[in-house]
Amino acid sequence: AQSVTQLGSHVSVSEGALVLLRCNYSSSVPPYLFWYVQYPNQGLQLLLKYTSAATLVKGINGFEAEFKKSETSFHLTKPSAHMSDAAEYFCAVSTGFQKLVFGTGTRLLVSP
Amino acid sequence: GAGVSQSPSNKVTEKGKDVELRCDPISGHTALYWYRQSLGQGLEFLIYFQGNSAPDKSGLPSDRFSAERTGGSVSTLTIQRTQQEDSAVYLCASSLVGTGGDNEQFFGPGTRLTVL
Repeated sequence: AQSVTQLGSHVSVSEGALVLLRCNYSSSVPPYLFWYVQYPNQGLQLLLKYTSAATLVKGINGFEAEFKKSETSFHLTKPSAHMSDAAEYFCAVSTGFQKLVFGTGTRLLVSP
Repeated sequence: GAGVSQSPSNKVTEKGKDVELRCDPISGHTALYWYRQSLGQGLEFLIYFQGNSAPDKSGLPSDRFSAERTGGSVSTLTIQRTQQEDSAVYLCASSLVGTGGDNEQFFGPGTRLTVL
């Protein structure tokens, strides 16, 4: 069975600093990997997805993630944090059977 | 275009009552999913519909939970004899059916259920 581990339930950064949110996956087959963002009282919005076409994936709002098979990781980064990036971020894995298996989420706090 | 909509946005009920949660997927999306988001359990898959059929209902926590989808569109999640542990945000998502599971799921805003 596939699973996802997100290290750090909370990450705090200053505005303009690098954002790094960690995600490690476990899957017995090549996975599809996703990052979703959730703003308060809203649903989930897709930031980016890995589907084996390229290991470095660029998403919306300046975010990107790199798939590293040797490390079973799919960490999310953004070079410069903005106040509007404050939200909860979820990593998820799918192995083609449609359902998403989510990590526990990381809340990103951005201070001025 | 319109996104996934869910109703009601909030539902407060008494323990033991039945509740129905509704999901309107994006037009043309053949796949529909229900998830539950709670403090203790995070985001959990409940059930997946392809058209009106549910090939995967493995996440339904008990036989008090059921769901149906009609006309390949609207879906209703029903919880019978609600318990306090059912309190959570219930999220619905829809997607086009792609190949290999890489199709994006579009999420609705959720229904916040509180069982007193």
